[in-house]
Amino acid sequence: DAMVIQNPRYQVTQFGKPVTLSCSQTLNHNVMYWYQQKSSQAPKLLFHYYDKDFNNEADTPDNFQSRRPNTSFCFLDIRSPSLGDAAMYLCATSPRLAGGTDTQYFGPGTRLTVL
Amino acid sequence: AQKVTQAQTEISVVEKEDVTLDCVYETRDTTYYLFWYKQPPSGELVFLIRRNSFDEQNEISGRYSWNFQKSTSSFNFTITASQVVDSAVYFCALSEAYNQGGKLIFGQGTELSVKP
Repeated sequence: DAMVIQNPRYQVTQFGKPVTLSCSQTLNHNVMYWYQQKSSQAPKLLFHYYDKDFNNEADTPDNFQSRRPNTSFCFLDIRSPSLGDAAMYLCATSPRLAGGTDTQYFGPGTRLTVL
Repeated sequence: AQKVTQAQTEISVVEKEDVTLDCVYETRDTTYYLFWYKQPPSGELVFLIRRNSFDEQNEISGRYSWNFQKSTSSFNFTITASQVVDSAVYFCALSEAYNQGGKLIFGQGTELSVKP
C-alpha cells in the first residue's frame, strides 16, 4: 500500500547529541512537510519541500534542518537537541502546491525523547 | 489573520451516544479549505474530510457527518452512535488557497473519550 513511513517510531537522544529522523513516501508526492507536535498541542509546521525547494517557517529554530535527497525521502536533523525539543515529529506529504490546497497525508510520527 | 478555534477541549460520552465536535474558523480569504483529522493514541493523523469554501453541502460518510456553514464560519463534525474506537483527538484545520506551501492552521484539538 502507498503510504508515508517514518523511522524510527521512537527515538531517544541525549542533550546536545545530533539526531536525524527519516521519512519516506511511496505516494510520489511533490511536497513533503515536517511538523512538531508537543504534548496536548496542535501540530506546528517547521518547514516543507516542494520538490527540491526548501521553505522554512519564520519561527523555526536554526537548530532544525532538513534534507530531501530525492522525491521519496526527507530527513529532519536536530543539530543540538534540548529538553524542549522532546515531541512527536510528524511527516506529511501532498501531491502539489499551487492553485489550491491538496490534502496532506501524515505518517505515524516519531516520538523523540531527550535525556 | 487565520485562526481555528475548537472550544471543546475534552468530551466524554457513553457508547452509542451521538456527539458533535465544534469548529469555528477565521480567514480573510474567499477561497479556503477546511479539514478534519483524527489522531488516535498511536499518534498518526488520519485524514477524514476536506471541504472547499465554495461547497457548503453537508456530507455524510457512514456514522460521520459534517455541517459547513459559512454564515457562522463553522465546520462541525458529528459522530452518530459513537463507538469506543472513535476515542481520539480530533483536529479541525484551515488552509488558504494562496497561502504558500498549503500550510495547515490547526485548532487545538478536541479529545473525545467514548466509554463502553
